[in-house]
Amino acid sequence: NAGVTQTPKFQVLKTGQSMTLQCAQDMNHNSMYWYRQDPGMGLRLIYYSASEGTTDKGEVPNGYNVSRLNKREFSLRLESAAPSQTSVYFCASSSQGLAGGHEQFFGPGTRLTVL
Amino acid sequence: AQRVTQPEKLLSVFKGAPVELKCNYSYSGSPELFWYVQYSRQRLQLLLRHISRESIKGFTADLNKGETSFHLKKPFAQEEDSAMYYCALVRVVYGNNRLAFGKGNQVVVIP
Repeated sequence: NAGVTQTPKFQVLKTGQSMTLQCAQDMNHNSMYWYRQDPGMGLRLIYYSASEGTTDKGEVPNGYNVSRLNKREFSLRLESAAPSQTSVYFCASSSQGLAGGHEQFFGPGTRLTVL
Repeated sequence: AQRVTQPEKLLSVFKGAPVELKCNYSYSGSPELFWYVQYSRQRLQLLLRHISRESIKGFTADLNKGETSFHLKKPFAQEEDSAMYYCALVRVVYGNNRLAFGKGNQVVVIP
């Protein structure tokens, strides 16, 4: 089991460029999440997908779009990157089960720099 | 609002000294709380969940509903405990469960 995988690990973009961050999980989890991690801000939820075919906005969705391609994959797209989107991006998944099944499993992260 | 507060950003302790990371929450109902840890340049991983009442790597955390707290404690800090620690609360938003994270505590254990 690879768990949650993310690509790429590092990316440098110029302002205005677009890119897609890929995430996949092999744990048969229903729910998937995208977070950004910034110093002093903790983890902030960008978008999440409670189940295949659904997506919802989190705390900081502006400037991002997502696609839940299938149960395994959940991608995050920056259509026109801005320096404020320089961050470390984490994908996570969970089974959304009852009685303690809310643990989220995280990917290794993508370190994005926008110049 | 359902949220988590971690008041201290940085905590420096000497090896062998006790360490306590504070976490306070606001939630109406029975909360479900976690502590996650992130070692240098690694992914976040679950450290503790309050329903398990277990000790992991010498850490414990007790839910105190009266004080709405879930502080993380370890009696004797080790160098390998240097990491970022996040307290997290399960929030229910439009019927879906999400995690609300605190801003994190950076712990530095001084040899």
